Amino acid sequence: AQSVTQLDSQVPVFEEAPVELRCNYSSSVSVYLFWYVQYPNQGLQLLLKYLSGSTLVKGINGFEAEFNKSQTSFHLRKPSVHISDTAEYFCAVSMDFGNEKLTFGTGTRLTIIP
Amino acid sequence: NAGVTQTPKFRVLKTGQSMTLLCAQDMNHEYMYWYRQDPGMGLRLIHYSVGEGTTAKGEVPDGYNVSRLKKQNFLLGLESAAPSQTSVYFCASSSLGRGRETQYFGPGTRLLVL
Repeated sequence: AQSVTQLDSQVPVFEEAPVELRCNYSSSVSVYLFWYVQYPNQGLQLLLKYLSGSTLVKGINGFEAEFNKSQTSFHLRKPSVHISDTAEYFCAVSMDFGNEKLTFGTGTRLTIIP
Repeated sequence: NAGVTQTPKFRVLKTGQSMTLLCAQDMNHEYMYWYRQDPGMGLRLIHYSVGEGTTAKGEVPDGYNVSRLKKQNFLLGLESAAPSQTSVYFCASSSLGRGRETQYFGPGTRLLVL
């Protein structure tokens, strides 16, 4: 079975500073990796996903993530954050064959300090 | 397109009462999911459906039942609510069930069981 670890439950960052949200996964088979974002009082929406190919994935709102198979990581980065990036970010993993299910991490709450 | 909608948005129940949460999607998706979100625990899958007339158990199915009588609707029922079921419930859908597919989420239902 796959699992996801998001070590940082909360990350405060000054506006216009860079940010990295960490995600590590474990799985015995090939995986697909996702980052979802949840803005206050809303449902989740897809930020980006890694399926195959280039390990650097670009998403919406200037975010990107890098798949590192040897370190089983999929860290999310943004070079300069804005107040509007205040949200909770979830890393998720699914397996590479016939598996309908996503396994989510516990989430990282990103707070932007003006 | 409305995407994924959920009713009601909020509900307060007393222990032992029953209720049904309704999820509707207008994207002609085959797969639908019910999750619960609790602080510090991320999203956990309750039940899911791979098509009209079919349902399957997820990670935390106890105390819940589901039905998918129409392709566009997925109902989650609580027969006898317990305080442990206080949570935020999210419905999601995807076009296919392969792990690479994006899931589209509704805005959530906040349930308080007293």
